[in-house]
Amino acid sequence: DTEVTQTPKHLVMGMTNKKSLKCEQHMGHRAMYWYKQKAKKPPELMFVYSYEKLSINESVPSRFSPECPNSSLLNLHLHALQPEDSALYLCASSQARDESIPYEQYFGPGTRLTVT
Amino acid sequence: GDSVTQMEGPVTLSEEAFLTINCTYTATGYPSLFWYVQYPGEGLQLLLKATKADDKGSNKGFEATYRKETTSFHLEKGSVQVSDSAVYFCALRLYGNNRLAFGKGNQVVVIP
Repeated sequence: DTEVTQTPKHLVMGMTNKKSLKCEQHMGHRAMYWYKQKAKKPPELMFVYSYEKLSINESVPSRFSPECPNSSLLNLHLHALQPEDSALYLCASSQARDESIPYEQYFGPGTRLTVT
Repeated sequence: GDSVTQMEGPVTLSEEAFLTINCTYTATGYPSLFWYVQYPGEGLQLLLKATKADDKGSNKGFEATYRKETTSFHLEKGSVQVSDSAVYFCALRLYGNNRLAFGKGNQVVVIP
C-alpha cells in the first residue's frame, strides 16, 4: 500500500478563520512533508518532519503551523491566511534519510484551499 | 545548487504518437532521479525512478534512462493515449537529503 490520504479535499475559509489540514500514511515512513502548489507550477516545499521532529522549515509564515502527533499523522494548522495563500496543499511521505535508498516520496491527492 | 531543467512549453500530440520530454540535471553528488505525473485535479504520482547511472526506469509504457555522461533523464513513450494527458515533472534527490528538486513541469495534451 503506497497511499497517502489527505482531508479535506476542498476547503474554503475566510481570512479570520482557523482550520486544519490532515494527512495520514501507513507505510511506516518516518519522513513527512508539506508542499504548496500553485497552478501550473511545481510543488514548493514548506516543512519536513523526520522522526516526528521538524527538520526543515522553508521560511514559511507563522500563519501556517505544522504538527506531527505521531509517525503516521501530519497536520497543518491555518490561521489568518491571506488570499494569496490559496493553492493546492500536498502532503508526502518517504523513508527518512538514515534508511535505505532509493527513497522516493509518495504524495497525497492534496487539499484545494481557497481563502476569501 | 542542485537543479532540474525541463524543456519549455506544453507538448501537444496526436494519439499513438511518440512522446519525448527532455530532462537534464545539475547535482553536486549522485542523485536519484524521478518522473512524477499529475493528472488534472489530483496530486503527484510517482511514474518511474532510477538510482544510478544506466538504470532504466519503466512503468505504464513510459521509460527513462539515467545518463550520467549527459546528466539527462529523458522520458519517452512509444504510443500515447488520451489518458496520458497530464503534467509531467522530473525531479532529483540526493542521498541523505530530504529535498526534492523539481523541474518546471510539462503539460502534455494528447488529441484523439
